[in-house]
Formats: sequence, C-alpha cells, structure tokens
Amino acid sequence: DGGITQSPKYLFRKEGQNVTLSCEQNLNHDAMYWYRQDPGQGLRLIYYSQIVNDFQKGDIAEGYSVSREKKESFPLTVTSAQKNPTAFYLCASSGRQLSYNEQFFGPGTRLTVL
Amino acid sequence: GENVEQHPSTLSVQEGDSAVIKCTYSDSASNYFPWYKQELGKRPQLIIDIRSNVGEKKDQRIAVTLNKTAKHFSLHITETQPEDSAVYFCATRGGGGSQGNLIFGKGTKLSVKP
Repeated sequence: DGGITQSPKYLFRKEGQNVTLSCEQNLNHDAMYWYRQDPGQGLRLIYYSQIVNDFQKGDIAEGYSVSREKKESFPLTVTSAQKNPTAFYLCASSGRQLSYNEQFFGPGTRLTVL
Repeated sequence: GENVEQHPSTLSVQEGDSAVIKCTYSDSASNYFPWYKQELGKRPQLIIDIRSNVGEKKDQRIAVTLNKTAKHFSLHITETQPEDSAVYFCATRGGGGSQGNLIFGKGTKLSVKP
C-alpha cells in the first residue's frame, strides 16, 4: 500500500474553519487528483493537476482550493465556503494523464464537521 | 459532459455463482474503461481495465466486455468467493476535451454469501 499517502486519517472541523488535507506520492507521477466520496455517489472529481504549478477545477470545486508547488505533494484545503464538507476524501496519482496509466489511490481522509 | 450509469446498485449472490455488473456511457470518444474494487474502509484498487480497441479481456475469475456500438461495458466475476464482497466502480476516460479525466459510476455493492 505504499507510494501514495494521505493524512490525517480522520479529521474533525468546526463550522467556519478551513482545514487542509495532505497528499504525498513517491511514485514520480505527473498527475494528481482529489476526489470526494459520499455514500451512493461514487467518486466525484474536485481538482486535478497535470504538472507542477498548474491545476484545474473538477466537477465540484466550489469551496475547495489546492496547490501544486512540488511534484510529490498536492494538498487540498476545505474552506468555510464548502457548505457540506463531511465526506471521505481520496487523493490519487497517475503517470501521464492522457495515457492509459492506472490511477493509484491513497488511503483517504474522513472529514467530519462538528 | 460524459455520464456513466452503473447497474445494479446492490447485488447479492451465493458463493460459487457468477456476478455481472453493467455500465453505460454517453461519450463515443471514450477510450479507456477501468474497474475498481473498494473493500470496506479501504482505498479503491484497479482490478481490470480494457481499451476501446479490444472487445473482451480476462484475468482469472474476472473478465470485462466492451460493446462500443451500444456504449456499454460489463464486469463478470465467476465462481464468486466471500472475499469478492466489496463495492465495485466502473469508470471511463473520455476524449481530449475531457482532459483525460476518469468519470466514475456510482458503484455496485456486491455481497457474496457463503
């Protein structure tokens, strides 16, 4: 299960707080992704990055922000503007995005708003 | 944009029986179709994938078939075992306009009864 890690495993947030979820990979992958998983909703794309210092919004980017200052790291910030942030967050990475390369997932962070 | 429909949402089979999960997609430019397995509390993991120039692919007890004309693809698991119990997600990768991102179905919860 090595290669892509996420921390923390569980995170609790009070309303109005921003929180940052960590994602690190040592697979030398160019592309990284953040997904949100809710029961019965599958995996929905929040943000993705094909290369360092570049990232694009996915389908549900509102209330989230990211940075890609290093190839290995792609942190996700859940801001107070996200109205329903309680969910399971998965980070993934892959080789060249437009190739057929497999996406490898991290173990996930479960965020709960108190 | 691309839409992926996955059926059924839940599936219960007896150990040793076969299980079939079907997905339909809308983007005729989709060219890559992976299947992921997610055990309870764990990360999704790729179990098999197929490219648009292939109609069928098999790996031991699992197989995937693709019908490009009808825009659907299916996962077949034979001789099911209790350890096959998990949530299975299909996905498609669209054409260049989608930046090559994966679009996931909502998942099928498979239960294999011993």
